[in-house]
Formats: sequence, structure tokens, C-alpha cells
Amino acid sequence: DVKVTQSSRYLVKRTGEKVFLECVQDMDHENMFWYRQDPGLGLRLIYFSYDVKMKEKGDIPEGYSVSREKKERFSLILESASTNQTSMYLCASRDRGAEAFFGQGTRLTVV
Amino acid sequence: GENVEQHPSTLSVQEGDSAVIKCTYSDSASNYFPWYKQELGKGPQLIIDIRSNVGEKKDQRIAVTLNKTAKHFSLHITETQPEDSAVYFCASYNNNDMRFGAGTRLTVKP
Repeated sequence: DVKVTQSSRYLVKRTGEKVFLECVQDMDHENMFWYRQDPGLGLRLIYFSYDVKMKEKGDIPEGYSVSREKKERFSLILESASTNQTSMYLCASRDRGAEAFFGQGTRLTVV
Repeated sequence: GENVEQHPSTLSVQEGDSAVIKCTYSDSASNYFPWYKQELGKGPQLIIDIRSNVGEKKDQRIAVTLNKTAKHFSLHITETQPEDSAVYFCASYNNNDMRFGAGTRLTVKP
């Protein structure tokens, strides 16, 4: 059974903290993505990666960075968390031209 | 870049009725159109998809239609059941770029 695993289901962090969201996939996919999900706004792309050590900005990259040191792992980093980054974060992976597989999501609250 | 619009944002139907969700896209080069279902507390999961060389695809109670000329595609769910209640997302794909609609919250009332 294919799987995308996000390290945490729920996180509560303080304003100004550095936050790491981890995502691991076991399907040997080259493409990995981080989305943010907010009510009424759907899934907005933060960053994506087509290969190891490669990253591209999505539609809303401000305040975020990413790291892909290994093919199976894609990390989202909030350099200095702010309350407007409180959201549901979804990681996904897929092959080119094929369906995306999503993790279960991480609900992040910044207080 | 590609823009995907999805309507309605919320939809409530009686069990057994049909539900239709519509999406439009802007990039005529888009060639793959998946639909995802997100149940409470879970990530989205693919339920059906269609490629640009096909006008319609059906899988049991779920069907998707595509009108490339008008650049719109629709999800049809027949004989709805309470377990169909979820958020549904359409997406449009072109050249490794996948864009999602804003989502539709479907509620099926028993």
C-alpha cells in the first residue's frame, strides 16, 4: 500500500519559533509538494521539488523554505512562525502525469 | 498560469439524490483532470480522473465529464449515500504543474 507519511498530526508552536514539518514517501516518486489548506481557499502550493536537492517556489512561498536531501524525504521549514501560518499543511508526491498521493496532513497552530 | 474555479463551494443533498460539482480551467494545454475526496481528518484521495482524449469516464456511482472546447469538467455522483459526505477537489494538470480548485463541501442528509 502506497504511503505518504507526515511526522505530526497536530503541532502547537509559539510565534517566532523555527518549525520543521517532515514528509516521507515510499513510492520512489521524484516529485514532492507542500500545500497549505485553508477554508475557502483550497489547496495552495507552497513549494515543490522535482529531484533531490532541487526546489521550486509555488504560489505562496513567503515565510517558508524547504529541504530535500533524500529522494524520499521533503521537509517544510517555517523560519520564524507567525500566527498567520496557522493552517493545515499537506504533503504530496507523484510521478509526472499521474495521480498525487497525499499525507494525512499536519494541523499547525501558532500562538 | 493555470486557474481552476470550482462550484459550488457547498452542496447539500438528500440521500439517494444526485450531486454535481463543476470546474473550469484556463490553460487549453491542460491534459489531465483528477478529482480528489477528502474525508474529515484525512488527506485528499483520488476517486476518479480523466484525460483530455476522453469525454466521459464512469466508475460505479461516480462519473466525470470533460468539455475541452468550453474548458470545463464535472463530477457526477448518483444515488448519494451519507458516506459520500466530504470535501471534493478538482484539479487540472499540465506539464507537471497541477492546480486545484477551492473545494466543495458535500453533505448528504439521511
